[in-house]
Amino acid sequence: NAGVTQTPKFQVLKTGQSMTLQCAQDMNHEYMSWYRQDPGMGLRLIHYSVGAGITDQGEVPNGYNVSRSTTEDFPLRLLSAAPSQTSVYFCASRGSYEQYFGPGTRLTVT
Amino acid sequence: AQKITQTQPGMFVQEKEAVTLDCTYDTSDPSYGLFWYKQPSSGEMIFLIYQGSYDQQNATEGRYSLNFQKARKSANLVISASQLGDSAMYFCAMREGRSGGSYIPTFGRGTSLIVHP
Repeated sequence: NAGVTQTPKFQVLKTGQSMTLQCAQDMNHEYMSWYRQDPGMGLRLIHYSVGAGITDQGEVPNGYNVSRSTTEDFPLRLLSAAPSQTSVYFCASRGSYEQYFGPGTRLTVT
Repeated sequence: AQKITQTQPGMFVQEKEAVTLDCTYDTSDPSYGLFWYKQPSSGEMIFLIYQGSYDQQNATEGRYSLNFQKARKSANLVISASQLGDSAMYFCAMREGRSGGSYIPTFGRGTSLIVHP
């Protein structure tokens, strides 16, 4: 049972490049979400999904896209990377009450 | 407006002593849940404890307890008998249910706890 997995663990991008952060869970959870963590800001919600085919915006959605074609996968796309998107990104899935987090992706945009 | 407020950016405690980390929340939803997570320097998010808004008793998990004061909208984490391994960032979070809530938790900014030997 792998829980929530994220790839890659580390990534460096140049301004303007695009990329996809992968997230998968094997717990058959309906709710999944993406957060970004910046120093002194806690975790801020980017996008979330309440089931396959259903997504919605969180607190800081600009510059990011998501889709949910299966229950297991919830990728986060950066459309045109900017230095302000330098952050640690966490994917999470929700059980009956607890959130299960992936190990995080540390992204640097130069 | 902040839904979760953690007013202590940093806290220090002596090993074996108890420490309270403060958390206040703001919601008009009668159904909500409160969480505490620990983030050690290695970066992973570790679930510690959960309190539902309708739970009559304060939640406890080993050395962790949640001091839930509904009227004051307060959900403080109490760590008893601190250990060196408790040094970490601690995040309070809230999940709202009905009334437009997404059932996805929102987080406070965190409190850094350092345990001294």
